[in-house]
Amino acid sequence: DGGITQSPKYLFRKEGQNVTLSCEQNLNHDAMYWYRQDPGQGLRLIYYSQIVNDFQKGDIAEGYSVSREKKESFPLTVTSAQKNPTAFYLCASSPYTLGGQPQHFGDGTRLSIL
Amino acid sequence: AQTVTQSQPEMSVQEAETVTLSCTYDTSESDYYLFWYKQPPSRQMILVIRQEAYKQQNATENRFSVNFQKAAKSFSLKISDSQLGDAAMYFCAYREGYGGSQGNLIFGKGTKLSVKP
Repeated sequence: DGGITQSPKYLFRKEGQNVTLSCEQNLNHDAMYWYRQDPGQGLRLIYYSQIVNDFQKGDIAEGYSVSREKKESFPLTVTSAQKNPTAFYLCASSPYTLGGQPQHFGDGTRLSIL
Repeated sequence: AQTVTQSQPEMSVQEAETVTLSCTYDTSESDYYLFWYKQPPSRQMILVIRQEAYKQQNATENRFSVNFQKAAKSFSLKISDSQLGDAAMYFCAYREGYGGSQGNLIFGKGTKLSVKP
């Protein structure tokens, strides 16, 4: 079955450490997205990518970085510059950016500070 | 900038009854899409229903229907014959039809729905 796989499910970060969250999709979707979810805040966009080797900052990109070397993969790195990384992170994809195709979501990664 | 507002942080409904969740949005665009997503305790985001702004007919998916009022910028979700499995966070989301932020969803803060047996 096609879908979006996020790993790990739980991740712990030490002070000063960079951590990378994995997102892989086998839906052949062009666009991929990363969201952060905090209690009472809904989902906020961190980064998005419309095609391979191209990505754009979302609303809260500071302290995060991404790459898009392959169509199916869009990893997110939470750097030490992100001072409050504890949150639930969701990856999503959609067939193409124009038009009303809905985004499909992975199961998420919960990141906590040690 | 577009915004999405869900004014009901929490709602409760009796099993088999009907409940309506509210959503309003602010945009100057005429071409856009609206979505309702459900997030159960498992935290997975599940698409419930989708509405195209240029269609006047309200979308329906089984027990789920919307009341789309374009002039009022309102997009409410009605759940009929509520079931215990409907208990979840519900998020309203807006997406531009075209433009620079192509495909990006703007979410409301969500409404937590409880279903009483």
